[in-house]
Amino acid sequence: DVKVTQSSRYLVKRTGEKVFLECVQDMDHENMFWYRQDPGLGLRLIYFSYDVKMKEKGDIPEGYSVSREKKERFSLILESASTNQTSMYLCASSLSPGAIGTDTQYFGPGTRLTVL
Amino acid sequence: DAKTTQPTSMDCAEGRAANLPCNHSTISGNEYVYWYRQIHSQGPQYIIHGLKNNETNEMASLIITEDRKSSTLILPHATLRDTAVYYCIVSTGSARQLTFGSGTQLTVLP
Repeated sequence: DVKVTQSSRYLVKRTGEKVFLECVQDMDHENMFWYRQDPGLGLRLIYFSYDVKMKEKGDIPEGYSVSREKKERFSLILESASTNQTSMYLCASSLSPGAIGTDTQYFGPGTRLTVL
Repeated sequence: DAKTTQPTSMDCAEGRAANLPCNHSTISGNEYVYWYRQIHSQGPQYIIHGLKNNETNEMASLIITEDRKSSTLILPHATLRDTAVYYCIVSTGSARQLTFGSGTQLTVLP
């Protein structure tokens, strides 16, 4: 089974702090994604990466950056956390580099981040 | 990607089949139907996907109508652990992201 793990289930940070969220997948997947989920807004894509050191902006990249130095690890960085970044953060990975019909995404358990 | 319409909520008795409908009347020829579910406070879980033919795996069956404008996810013997929000998503798979709508809250009742 595909396993996607996230570094923390719950995290509490203060405004202005730098926050690192880490995601690791164990299935040699090329694609990795970071989403945030908020009530009434569904899942929104922040960034994704289709290869090591490659990244592309999603729908809401402002205030976030990412790093992918190794294939299995994808980090989301909040440079200066703000209260409006309080959310559930979800990491996902998928095997196929976008081939039609096979881009099934597997999600981690999520990190609930609270910024005070 | 095409838009989907699902009922907001459904109940199902434990042990019975749960049939979750989804309308996707604007689906195009190269778009697949994916189903995911999300148990409270967890990440979404992939269930099944299909293009034209009906599909079955260890979790569920997917029935797609001949005109592909709607589909039904079937959980053959629902258990309490199947209580979750179920999302129907239409995607080419090459869009690099999935668009999750509001989904259907399925509650399995004892």
